[in-house]
Amino acid sequence: DQQVKQNSPSLSVQEGRISILNCDYTNSMFDYFLWYKKYPAEGPTFLISISSIKDKNEDGRFTVFLNKSAKHLSLHIVPSQPGDSAVYFCAASAGYSGAGSYQLTFGKGTKLSVIP
Amino acid sequence: GAVVSQHPSWVICKSGTSVKIECRSLDFQATTMFWYRQFPKQSLMLMATSNEGSKATYEQGVEKDKFLINHASLTLSTLTVTSAHPEDSSFYICSARDSLATHTGELFFGEGSRLTVL
Repeated sequence: DQQVKQNSPSLSVQEGRISILNCDYTNSMFDYFLWYKKYPAEGPTFLISISSIKDKNEDGRFTVFLNKSAKHLSLHIVPSQPGDSAVYFCAASAGYSGAGSYQLTFGKGTKLSVIP
Repeated sequence: GAVVSQHPSWVICKSGTSVKIECRSLDFQATTMFWYRQFPKQSLMLMATSNEGSKATYEQGVEKDKFLINHASLTLSTLTVTSAHPEDSSFYICSARDSLATHTGELFFGEGSRLTVL
């Protein structure tokens, strides 16, 4: 049972336009959400996060929106650049568990291609 | 920023042999590290949580005798794939959380290690 779902495996966007990547979750215990960017054969890189007490967090060209009632979050990239082409993973956490560990549940990722 | 290094980045081994992958936090201490596995076109799957000085906690379905984890210091965790078989071929990624950081939700990931078992 997939608790974090990214239903679009791929997305193509023209350079300069907005990229919108979507993520849905089913576990109502999740209270922290993160987006990671991953290039082939590399580990993921943290992009932006949002706590469940907020509905929006912005960092430069990246904005994450959270709709708790719909259990949905999205990542907006404006303007999109060719260097943004990568796989984007949505991840969720139910906060601390055990002795301060921090576990993430990942979606399958969405491959973003920004066309020059 | 914080750096996590994995070694080796790529390894090929014969079926039946054991392979050790190292994960180091280079500029911070990590009491907890995580090991993930990624199959092509799949999400990162958490295999186990590695705790410094104690036994690792394995996720359901992960064989602890096959995937040995040792977290002997605050900056090093190792994953040993014992008696590797072709189905163990995958991309293994570790992550670490700065022990002194507040709850920001950020984990720092290694570069990943691609294991190919012939």
